Amino acid sequence: DTAVSQTPKYLVTQMGNDKSIKCEQNLGHDTMYWYKQDSKKFLKIMFSYNNKELIINETVPNRFSPKSPDKAHLNLHINSLELGDSAVYFCASSQEGQVSPRLWGYGYTFGSGTRLTVV
Amino acid sequence: AQSVTQLGSHVSVSEGALVLLRCNYSSSVPPYLFWYVQYPNQGLQLLLKYTSAATLVKGINGFEAEFKKSETSFHLTKPSAHMSDAAEYFCAVSGNQAGTALIFGKGTTLSVSS
Repeated sequence: DTAVSQTPKYLVTQMGNDKSIKCEQNLGHDTMYWYKQDSKKFLKIMFSYNNKELIINETVPNRFSPKSPDKAHLNLHINSLELGDSAVYFCASSQEGQVSPRLWGYGYTFGSGTRLTVV
Repeated sequence: AQSVTQLGSHVSVSEGALVLLRCNYSSSVPPYLFWYVQYPNQGLQLLLKYTSAATLVKGINGFEAEFKKSETSFHLTKPSAHMSDAAEYFCAVSGNQAGTALIFGKGTTLSVSS
């Protein structure tokens, strides 16, 4: 069983289109993340949800909108795609805890990534 | 704020040689530190982590790292490189307050030649 799965793996689309990337985790984790990896392989946090609540919203264009229908799913919708959106998008999950002390030491489990190419 | 700096964007070694990938961190509180590996066209896989227990941490695939507070370092080593170790390696530090996320260094590409 794949722990963190993303679909699609590859996405090629034209400028101006709207697209979504889906992420699901079966680890029972309570926190999920979206990271963007640029062409230089730099990983930058975009969003994080804890138990369906948005807790991190970095400086990204508001064309990017995350949605978490439940704590096992975190989707990323992108409107009006631009050339600069081309990148690999990674979903990740972790067990952070809300009431208990945060479990900082466990690290994240990553999905295999979605390579988005805007043409 | 926390950050990590990986020294050397590209490291080349011969098969059988020592691998040393450098990572320095900045943190105002005791950090949790991680090394991840990314093989081509794949996601990130956790190699090892430091969570304030033993300062010498052993991970998968023969890698280990030593936490040195005095040097604010967490360098990754492997005694003998294999061709299969060629990949991108990321050092990361865990946020220490609500609303923060794992912060990554810029990565080091490891090449292994025969």
